Amino acid sequence: KQEVTQIPAALSVPEGENLVLNCSFTDSAIYNLQWFRQDPGKGLTSLLLIQSSQREQTSGRLNASLDKSSGRSTLYIAASQPGDSATYLCALREYGNKLVFGAGTILRVKS
Amino acid sequence: DAGVIQSPRHEVTEMGQEVTLRCKPISGHNSLFWYRQTMMRGLELLIYFNNNVPIDDSGMPEDRFSAKMPNASFSTLKIQPSEPRDSAVYFCASLGARWGLNSPLHFGNGTRLTVT
Repeated sequence: KQEVTQIPAALSVPEGENLVLNCSFTDSAIYNLQWFRQDPGKGLTSLLLIQSSQREQTSGRLNASLDKSSGRSTLYIAASQPGDSATYLCALREYGNKLVFGAGTILRVKS
Repeated sequence: DAGVIQSPRHEVTEMGQEVTLRCKPISGHNSLFWYRQTMMRGLELLIYFNNNVPIDDSGMPEDRFSAKMPNASFSTLKIQPSEPRDSAVYFCASLGARWGLNSPLHFGNGTRLTVT
């Protein structure tokens, strides 16, 4: 059974700092890995999707990497801003269309 | 596009009552998912549909839960009878086939259910 772990559970950083969020998984038989952002009282918004054959994806200040052999993905946020404060979740798409989610990292960027 | 639309946004009901949650997926999307989110267990997949057909309902906790998708633009999740432990945020999500297996998942804003 796939298990997804996100570290750290919570992170507080000053504005402007670069930061890395980690996601690890136990079964590398995946189609893709997706990073989501969730704001309080809201649904999840897809940030980046990395296909299993890819190593990384970039969107603006966000860069996500995938290393299937080690069962790890990282989300790098450059020059963090208070508006980046949210919960970040990674999810793995397995065969059969199921997504398995991690518990998330709660990020707070202080101004 | 209006995105995935869920209703109601909030539902407060008494134990034993029937609860119906509604979802309208993004037009053209052919897969629909129901998730439940709690502090204790995070996001749990309850059931998902492909082309209106239920594919995997192994996450549905009990027979008190049922889901239907009568057409491509509407789905319901029903709890009868409801219990306090059903209190959670219920999310609906849809998935298109434009990029095949690498299509991103789109979530609604959820229904916060409180059962007293």
